[in-house]
Amino acid sequence: GESVGLHLPTLSVQEGDNSIINCAYSNSASDYFIWYKQESGKGPQFIIDIRSNMDKRQGQRVTVLLNKTVKHLSLQIAATQPGDSAVYFCAEINQAGTALIFGKGTTLSVSS
Amino acid sequence: DAGITQSPRHKVTETGTPVTLRCHQTENHRYMYWYRQDPGHGLRLIHYSYGVKDTDKGEVSDGYSVSRSKTEDFLLTLESATSSQTSVYFCAISDRPGLEGYTFGSGTRLTVV
Repeated sequence: GESVGLHLPTLSVQEGDNSIINCAYSNSASDYFIWYKQESGKGPQFIIDIRSNMDKRQGQRVTVLLNKTVKHLSLQIAATQPGDSAVYFCAEINQAGTALIFGKGTTLSVSS
Repeated sequence: DAGITQSPRHKVTETGTPVTLRCHQTENHRYMYWYRQDPGHGLRLIHYSYGVKDTDKGEVSDGYSVSRSKTEDFLLTLESATSSQTSVYFCAISDRPGLEGYTFGSGTRLTVV
């Protein structure tokens, strides 16, 4: 079946460090992936997306890497700040291309 | 979030009572979704709509029904609420789900006692 999972439920880093959040997906046919950030008490917010014809995509302080060989997705956050503290979810589009399937989330804690 | 509103934001209800949650959008997006969020489970899809009167089930649809009579409104109904339906419910919208991400609402926290 289709499922998306994350390797670690929590990640703690120091301010200024680079953070890497990982995600494994099971559907080798998935062609669209997204990372979301969810702050406490709020809905998830779009961070960055990537299509399966790409290996890497960069945004402002964030980079998403896609390794289709091992079905692995990662989110890298450069110079992590306290405001980056949140839960991060990866998601993949379902086979029908109509809905996103979410992983369980990684809680990132940034200490100053 | 701009363009999408969920109501109510909080609700406490008793077991066995019907409950309806509302999602309203002003973006004229074709797709609308209901997810529930529980600790340890992330976001799980309940139902979604791909047009007026067009809906489909997600992975956790049992005990829930939906209706979409207008483009802008998507209703989620718990016909007879149970304690297992205590959760935070999120609505999301998208125009092209396979090409762009969703916009999420702020959520409804539902407690069934």
